[in-house]
Amino acid sequence: SQQGEEDPQALSIQEGENATMNCSYKTSINNLQWYRQNSGRGLVHLILIRSNEREKHSGRLRVTLDTSKKSSSLLITASRAADTASYFCATDSYSGGYQKVTFGTGTKLQVIP
Amino acid sequence: KAGVTQTPRYLIKTRGQQVTLSCSPISGHRSVSWYQQTPGQGLQFLFEYFSETQRNKGNFPGRFSGRQFSNSRSEMNVSTLELGDSALYLCASKEYGGRWTGELFFGEGSRLTVL
Repeated sequence: SQQGEEDPQALSIQEGENATMNCSYKTSINNLQWYRQNSGRGLVHLILIRSNEREKHSGRLRVTLDTSKKSSSLLITASRAADTASYFCATDSYSGGYQKVTFGTGTKLQVIP
Repeated sequence: KAGVTQTPRYLIKTRGQQVTLSCSPISGHRSVSWYQQTPGQGLQFLFEYFSETQRNKGNFPGRFSGRQFSNSRSEMNVSTLELGDSALYLCASKEYGGRWTGELFFGEGSRLTVL
């Protein structure tokens, strides 16, 4: 089952514009992470935000977390054609004493040169 | 360090056959998780192994099984293949099990097509 629901499902923007993706989840979490996946490849970790943090930056990435609304957003500023990929949020929770990471449905981003 | 290595990268099987996929984690990583990715269901958690023991299991039928060896390498097996098992199977490793907070390192995946 999917813990996170992301929207939009697909996003097409021009190079240089900002891209915003949103993730909503259902249960309490310890951390929320964002991953990127190029078509048919493995996932690459982008950024992790802890449940007691509200905002985090890494290069052109800005992530916010609102635990009261159970939602997060990923902002990519000054997008480039190379940012074209699918982006997934991932939440972790504990199951049987062990961490379990559950991925959202993903947002497919296309950046047009 | 070498990344997570999955073999084979591509394979084609027919219904009823079985398949074994292999995953070598990053050196020093003792936890290996498996995910199934399909266009319709997205990324679904299969199971996680840590120190040769299955720690967590997703909601998949018993046809899906796995194991981990003493060198942390892991295999997953799918028996009696069905058309719906066609998917990209992703393996991910991490350094610690239990109360860990950090990133997963993914392999490039094994693309299984069932005919």
